[in-house]
Amino acid sequence: EPEVTQTPSHQVTQMGQEVILRCVPISNHLYFYWYRQILGQKVEFLVSFYNNEISEKSEIFDDQFSVERPDGSNFTLKIRSTKLEDSAMYFCASNRLAGGPGTDTQYFGPGTRLTVL
Amino acid sequence: ILNVEQSPQSLHVQEGDSTNFTCSFPSSNFYALHWYRWETAKSPEALFVMTLNGDEKKKGRISATLNTKEGYSYLYIKGSQPEDSATYLCAFHNYGGSQGNLIFGKGTKLSVKP
Repeated sequence: EPEVTQTPSHQVTQMGQEVILRCVPISNHLYFYWYRQILGQKVEFLVSFYNNEISEKSEIFDDQFSVERPDGSNFTLKIRSTKLEDSAMYFCASNRLAGGPGTDTQYFGPGTRLTVL
Repeated sequence: ILNVEQSPQSLHVQEGDSTNFTCSFPSSNFYALHWYRWETAKSPEALFVMTLNGDEKKKGRISATLNTKEGYSYLYIKGSQPEDSATYLCAFHNYGGSQGNLIFGKGTKLSVKP
């Protein structure tokens, strides 16, 4: 069964460093997302991406964050200058329909745990 | 601010017990409710997408009901097994809301003892 994959599973970085988190969404999906979960808190939406551009972003997704789909398969989240509070589990997700996730199942990857020291 | 609450936060049951937990969400502008099952170190697994008031969905021993007028959904597990141990997440999508913004509850962590 097709699945969303993410690499690495765990990333440790120093404060101020740049990190790139990678995702391979399911191949025929059209909408892509990043969410994060800070330990002990709720999963929070960061950004959605459709047709090679950002569809929507949350307040969390400030100028230090960016997303890209550099080729036909990868979807990346870049954090330019990491802060301690960026430590979280970052999930990538995708869904098939162009209409978004409202009634369409959104498929999640296993997450990348980012630790900022 | 849209808020989704789940209760209880955690639950410990014996193998064979049936159990249920609750997801509460805003009743206005409802569009869809998603249930996920999340085991540690794995991807959250989609269980149900529910859209209609009174909806009832079933997948094996797991079922869910939906009441959009009062803003709650129940997830039931019949005859819990140790492999049901996981965190169960619900996520709300409101009508007129953003394309991507699933609003999650904190989850109910279920532990099933053999």
